[in-house]
Amino acid sequence: KNEVEQSPQNLTAQEGEFITINCSYSVGISALHWLQQHPGGGIVSLFMLSSGKKKHGRLIATINIQEKHSSLHITASHPRDSAVYICAVRSDNYGQNFVFGPGTRLSVLP
Amino acid sequence: KAGVTQTPRYLIKTRGQQVTLSCSPISGHRSVSWYQQTPGQGLQFLFEYFSETQRNKGNFPGRFSGRQFSNSRSEMNVSTLELGDSALYLCASSLVWGTDRANTEAFFGQGTRLTVV
Repeated sequence: KNEVEQSPQNLTAQEGEFITINCSYSVGISALHWLQQHPGGGIVSLFMLSSGKKKHGRLIATINIQEKHSSLHITASHPRDSAVYICAVRSDNYGQNFVFGPGTRLSVLP
Repeated sequence: KAGVTQTPRYLIKTRGQQVTLSCSPISGHRSVSWYQQTPGQGLQFLFEYFSETQRNKGNFPGRFSGRQFSNSRSEMNVSTLELGDSALYLCASSLVWGTDRANTEAFFGQGTRLTVV
């Protein structure tokens, strides 16, 4: 079993829809990151969370430390949101190196 | 402020050859970590360098090696390439290394896509 799981694996939405991507992890963490990867390959950091909730534009990320679960929400989705979203955690178990989830591939159709 | 720069962006190599990839971190960052991304295994940690010393290493064979220079630029080398080494290789930089990175942001490069034929 992977230490970091994500659901769904693939997601297709219509423009304007509200989207939720989930991440669960099994180790103690110091922080959880949501990353975005476009087809070109580069990765951009969206959020770093250790508790609570953060909002940036149409993106909202929440984390529940007790339940070891995080969600990434996209409101009013747009085709430019199409990308792979990756949940990654830093943990003392791994020397604070990233442990990555498998990613969620999102396609937003116009 | 320039981001993390990886060169080259694309490479095609033949089985048995060796390859060197380069990563220039954000100015002032002294830690560089390397990751391999494949469709089957996802993103996996290769190694981390800080102050010209390898600090951590993932579970990869000895064919994968790296180094870091005094200006914090890092190179990774893969010798005796295999078809399975075809992947996107990403590097990330940070100010600090190891457990000091607990609550630090992640800065990744664009990656080098290596194809082994």
